[in-house]
Amino acid sequence: NAGVTQTPKFQVLKTGQSMTLQCAQDMNHEYMSWYRQDPGMGLRLIHYSVGAGITDQGEVPNGYNVSRSTTEDFPLRLLSAAPSQTSVYFCASSYRPRDYGQYFGPGTRLTVT
Amino acid sequence: EDQVTQSPEALRLQEGESSSLNCSYTVSGLRGLFWYRQDPGKGPEFLFTLYSAGEEKEKERLKATLTKKESFLHITAPKPEDSATYLCAVQADETSGSRLTFGEGTQLTVNP
Repeated sequence: NAGVTQTPKFQVLKTGQSMTLQCAQDMNHEYMSWYRQDPGMGLRLIHYSVGAGITDQGEVPNGYNVSRSTTEDFPLRLLSAAPSQTSVYFCASSYRPRDYGQYFGPGTRLTVT
Repeated sequence: EDQVTQSPEALRLQEGESSSLNCSYTVSGLRGLFWYRQDPGKGPEFLFTLYSAGEEKEKERLKATLTKKESFLHITAPKPEDSATYLCAVQADETSGSRLTFGEGTQLTVNP
């Protein structure tokens, strides 16, 4: 199993540009989520999904959209990038979080200039 | 609002020098407390889940314990390869999906 994969690893955007961060898992996990990690603030939840076709907002959803058309994929869209969205983004998945914890991807480092 | 506070922020140990990391939490109803290890430039790696006060779990040189207000990660006779940032997170009873609230982490350095 590849586990949780994320692309790209690094990205530089200009303010106002849009892009999609890709996340895929091959473990047949129902639960998937997106976090951002910033110095001094820890990991914060952006959006999450409990299954295909179901998504909900986390702690810091503004400026981001998600969709979950398949169990495997959970892309994160930045609608109009802002410098405040400069961060490291992690995707995570789990089968049953209470029993198995969460598996994190390697992260995407995004810089918005 | 769920809160997680980890201490110390940074810890330097000599190889073989045992110590503990602290995770204090405030949550309306604890569904689970998670410990992760994060190496520079990588995603967090799951270590343990604890569900109720008094529970303990061990993995190699690591032992996690849980009380009603805090969790400790005990590191016995650490080695340089244990150097990493250790993250604590809580999941509340009323939380849907897999929402976790994270602390900022303790950066552990083990010198040979």
